Amino acid sequence: QQPVQSPQAVILREGEDAVINCSSSKALYSVHWYRQKHGEAPIFLMILLKGGEQKGHDKISASFNEKKQQSSLYLTASQLSYSGTYFCGTEPTGNQFYFGTGTSLTVIP
Amino acid sequence: DADVTQTPRNRITKTGKRIMLECSQTKGHDRMYWYRQDPGLGLQLIYYSFDVKDINKGEISDGYSVSRQAQAKFSLSLESAIPNQTALYFCATSDVPGGAGQETQYFGPGTRLLVL
Repeated sequence: QQPVQSPQAVILREGEDAVINCSSSKALYSVHWYRQKHGEAPIFLMILLKGGEQKGHDKISASFNEKKQQSSLYLTASQLSYSGTYFCGTEPTGNQFYFGTGTSLTVIP
Repeated sequence: DADVTQTPRNRITKTGKRIMLECSQTKGHDRMYWYRQDPGLGLQLIYYSFDVKDINKGEISDGYSVSRQAQAKFSLSLESAIPNQTALYFCATSDVPGGAGQETQYFGPGTRLLVL
């Protein structure tokens, strides 16, 4: 039931944009996005509820297509501070939480 | 002060030893979780607890046990540690303010465990 993320890794130059995708085989109540810096705990970024909503958080936004059971995270005008591993998290039943496979994002000057 | 704390932060132990990792939270959340993370990989759920009397196995519970001593405390034990349990262990808490599907998890700083 672990959601699958793509790509597995991406390298960007400062100012470039990136999209990270998260796909589930199960119908979802919600999708969450977390970022983890190397050696640190994951930090919550945002939650999207079913209803096909889109959210923004500074220059990081996300969309959730419940029919396709997919979510995408959009990072625009990337900054060095965006580097880290991004995880989506899904709740198929509302009782258990599954983290995705992770996407490593590296922003270089 | 941190809302979710884990002790110890780093631990080296030998094969066959019993060890306990502890997690405490001041967020007042009912739900608590233990995850392990292997280098370069995602988070795998070991055990989770929705309240003091409710404990559930996660994806990879074999070789681990837990104890929920109070709402604020959730301990993870390795009964007989083995080298492939070397990993980074995270405790997390959550609440569900809006009901199902709206859970947000808050993580502790992690415990690095090395089993020789």
